[in-house]
Amino acid sequence: QVQLQESGPGLVKPSGTLSLTCAVSGGSISSSNWWTWVRQPPGKGLEWIGEIHYSGSTNYNPSLKSRVAISVDKSKNQFSLKLSSVTAADTAVYYCARDPDYGGNSHFDYWGQGTLVTVSS
Amino acid sequence: SYELTQPPSVSVSPGQTASITCSGDKLGDKFACWYQQKPGQSPVLVIYQDTKRPSGIPERFSGSNSGNTATLTISGTQAMDEADYYCQAWDSSTVVFGGGTKLTVL
Repeated sequence: QVQLQESGPGLVKPSGTLSLTCAVSGGSISSSNWWTWVRQPPGKGLEWIGEIHYSGSTNYNPSLKSRVAISVDKSKNQFSLKLSSVTAADTAVYYCARDPDYGGNSHFDYWGQGTLVTVSS
Repeated sequence: SYELTQPPSVSVSPGQTASITCSGDKLGDKFACWYQQKPGQSPVLVIYQDTKRPSGIPERFSGSNSGNTATLTISGTQAMDEADYYCQAWDSSTVVFGGGTKLTVL
């Protein structure tokens, strides 16, 4: 059973960089799966941030692309998110998830518990 | 950019059938999937590839996708099915979510 666990600071200052890590257990990150980040502002819907393959290939939400970087650390079986120049609008619960079939059949079958990141001074 | 539209809310009586729609341009030419999210919990995949149910998802959940509309159907709706439901599709290397539908079981 694959498990994902997000970690990182719960508070980030405006104009700073949000950094989160997702640890994968119960399976290898070096598989055919893609690994994704999704966020959800309080009381609002889901927003896809981007995905990464263990090879390093990435795809990002065009609306966030200029501020987002997703990377993978195969040795630690984890992947990470960096979001720069944050504002209050970036306050959200951030989820990591697994996508077993990125592309036309993209869907997320395992999710982390989510971590709330608040942008505030 | 591609957009998916869902009704903000749907109500259903216990034991009845609930239908939640998701509309997008030529959505039937793409695969759609659905997530259930209860308050304070992570989303759970309930339908993928239009009609497939992951292991552990009750048979009362089913999906269809044709034309411009994908539909999640819950037969014999139970109180435990009250939740937010999100559709999702993939277009031009981008994952897109619908805005979500709050299902109320009255």
